[in-house]
Amino acid sequence: DTGVSQDPRHKITKRGQNVTFRCDPISEHNRLYWYRQTLGQGPEFLTYFQNEAQLEKSRLLSDRFSAERPKGSFSTLEIQRTEQGDSAMYLCASSKSGRQETQYFGPGTRLLVL
Amino acid sequence: QKEVEQNSGPLSVPEGAIASLNCTYSDRVSQSFFWYRQYSGKSPELIMSIYSNGDKEDGRFTAQLNKASQYVSLLIRDSQPSDSATYLCAVNTGNQFYFGTGTSLTVIP
Repeated sequence: DTGVSQDPRHKITKRGQNVTFRCDPISEHNRLYWYRQTLGQGPEFLTYFQNEAQLEKSRLLSDRFSAERPKGSFSTLEIQRTEQGDSAMYLCASSKSGRQETQYFGPGTRLLVL
Repeated sequence: QKEVEQNSGPLSVPEGAIASLNCTYSDRVSQSFFWYRQYSGKSPELIMSIYSNGDKEDGRFTAQLNKASQYVSLLIRDSQPSDSATYLCAVNTGNQFYFGTGTSLTVIP
């Protein structure tokens, strides 16, 4: 069990550019979640997958954001036409579905949009 | 009304004291409850989970759950400077996980 991994750990980009982040969950976990966290706030839900199916997406999520989990293993989160307000820590968490589902977080990707 | 409410603090306790962190939640059908510790600039780290009413102890940490009052707490005994962090309360309603904004704890040597 190597834990949840995320890549890259840091990303600096210019406004208007596209960025893509990757998350590799714990191998036996079938659920994968994406969150965004800004300073002084708790993680804010973006979307989640069960296996390869995207089951829920936050209503607050702009259509500039898209996520995929094509084979039910790793996931990517893409932000198109980045804005300064997108600057945040993007967190991935994975879990095994069930009554005592418990999320484990990756190290996060810190995005800075200039 | 937010799903999960926490006092943002900061909470300061002397080394060796008991730190008490509190959390309330709004959804009565919430099924499971978690405490995460988050150091500055790092991601949340799970420290406790609790699923039924009562107390659950793990080392220096005790989680307490009262579903009737919709209240969950975390006690940290013999607080150490390394416990200084933000503590996030999280609730699983069965459909989604909700997080509080966190309580900042400082343990003073």
